[in-house]
Amino acid sequence: KAGVTQTPRYLIKTRGQQVTLSCSPISGHRSVSWYQQTPGQGLQFLFEYFSETQRNKGNFPGRFSGRQFSNSRSEMNVSTLELGDSALYLCASSRQSTSSNEQFFGPGTRLTVL
Amino acid sequence: QKEVEQNSGPLSVPEGAIASLNCTYSDRVSQSFFWYRQYSGKSPELIMSIYSNGDKEDGRFTAQLNKASQYVSLLIRDSQPSDSATYLCAVNRAPSGSARQLTFGSGTQLTVLP
Repeated sequence: KAGVTQTPRYLIKTRGQQVTLSCSPISGHRSVSWYQQTPGQGLQFLFEYFSETQRNKGNFPGRFSGRQFSNSRSEMNVSTLELGDSALYLCASSRQSTSSNEQFFGPGTRLTVL
Repeated sequence: QKEVEQNSGPLSVPEGAIASLNCTYSDRVSQSFFWYRQYSGKSPELIMSIYSNGDKEDGRFTAQLNKASQYVSLLIRDSQPSDSATYLCAVNRAPSGSARQLTFGSGTQLTVLP
């Protein structure tokens, strides 16, 4: 079974631009969560989508948004990019959106903001 | 106090030894606990999940949970150089059955010396 895929793997943007990242979950998984990983802050939860609905949201500004499609694929968007948005963005999928469900991570998108 | 705390290490053990990784969490309502392994430049890989007090074994890995002490640990028996990685403890603070919000510790860097 194919794992979680994320595109693109690398991105370079400049301040003020916006970016859209894509995530395809494992087949049969309906929950997609997004995380930001930086050396200083570690892994931080952004938001989770299940059945095209945002179920939970972390403590990030409104510039960070996402959506989920009917096939469970998800996108996250960051508008008005700042230097501090440079990070590894990780997507994780699970079958359901319950606390006990295991999450499996994709390879991530490395975003560099210049 | 951080919500999920881990010793940052680095932790070095000789090949064949037992590596012990520890994690404490602050929120008593936490129900689900996970250990991930992350190699440098890669995304986190799920190793173990544990939900009930006691031990859970999977091959060379044993997860231990003590909810009264708010403590979860990971033991790696017969450590191999290939186990050298950063180990992340993740805690779901949401009550069982509800939406997930994983909080990660900062990780413990483990080096297994040949």
